[in-house]
Amino acid sequence: ETGVTQTPRHLVMGMTNKKSLKCEQHLGHNAMYWYKQSAKKPLELMFVYNFKEQTENNSVPSRFSPECPNSSHLFLHLHTLQPEDSALYLCASSQRPGENTGELFFGEGSRLTVL
Amino acid sequence: DAKTTQPNSMESNEEEPVHLPCNHSTISGTDYIHWYRQLPSQGPEYVIHGLTSNVNNRMASLAIAEDRKSSTLILHRATLRDAAVYYCILRLRSGANNLFFGTGTRLTVIP
Repeated sequence: ETGVTQTPRHLVMGMTNKKSLKCEQHLGHNAMYWYKQSAKKPLELMFVYNFKEQTENNSVPSRFSPECPNSSHLFLHLHTLQPEDSALYLCASSQRPGENTGELFFGEGSRLTVL
Repeated sequence: DAKTTQPNSMESNEEEPVHLPCNHSTISGTDYIHWYRQLPSQGPEYVIHGLTSNVNNRMASLAIAEDRKSSTLILHRATLRDAAVYYCILRLRSGANNLFFGTGTRLTVIP
C-alpha cells in the first residue's frame, strides 16, 4: 500500500468511448503525475501538476485530457483513443519540487485496453 | 535530460549479493542519482538516492564513483521478492521532480 490509489485497475474501451481514470493520494503531497508504460518501452512522463497547476505536458495528444481539481485527486479523461494507446497508466505523487528527496510514490496502475 | 546506461538483464542466486551497475557519464554536478524498482504487476517504488557519498538504507546500498560517472546499487542478500526491473535515474538537485525512466535492468533471482 503506497498511499496512492488508482481506479479502475482494468479498463477496456472502444475507440469511440469516453472514459476516465482516477487517482487519489492520501500522503499530503502537492505534486501529481501521469506516466504511461507500454509493453517493452520505458515509462513515459505525460503530465505533471504542482498545487493543482499543470506544469508539464510532455507532447501528449489531445485525446488525453488531465484534470487536477485539488492536490489529492488527479484524473485522466480519455476520448477517441487508438489501439496503440493500450498501456498501463501510472499515477504518482510527491512533495513539491525542490523539497526533500523528491521521492515519487506510485499507484499500482490502470491497465487500459483499446479495441 | 542526462542519460543513464544499464545492462538489460542480470541474474543472481538467492541469498547472494547483487551489484547492479549504472553509467551516467554526462551527469552534472547538481544531478542526484535515484534508483527505483518495479515488481511484476506493480508501479515503481523508490529504493535509494545519493549525490556524492555512498548511501545505505534498509533496502540497499548505493556506491557512487568518485567522478560520479557511474554508480552501483547493492542488494546485500537477494531474495525472490527482489526480482524486478531496476531503474537508475538522474534528477536535477533543484527543480522539478520529473523523473525520466530508461529501460532498466531486469533482475532474475534464482532459488
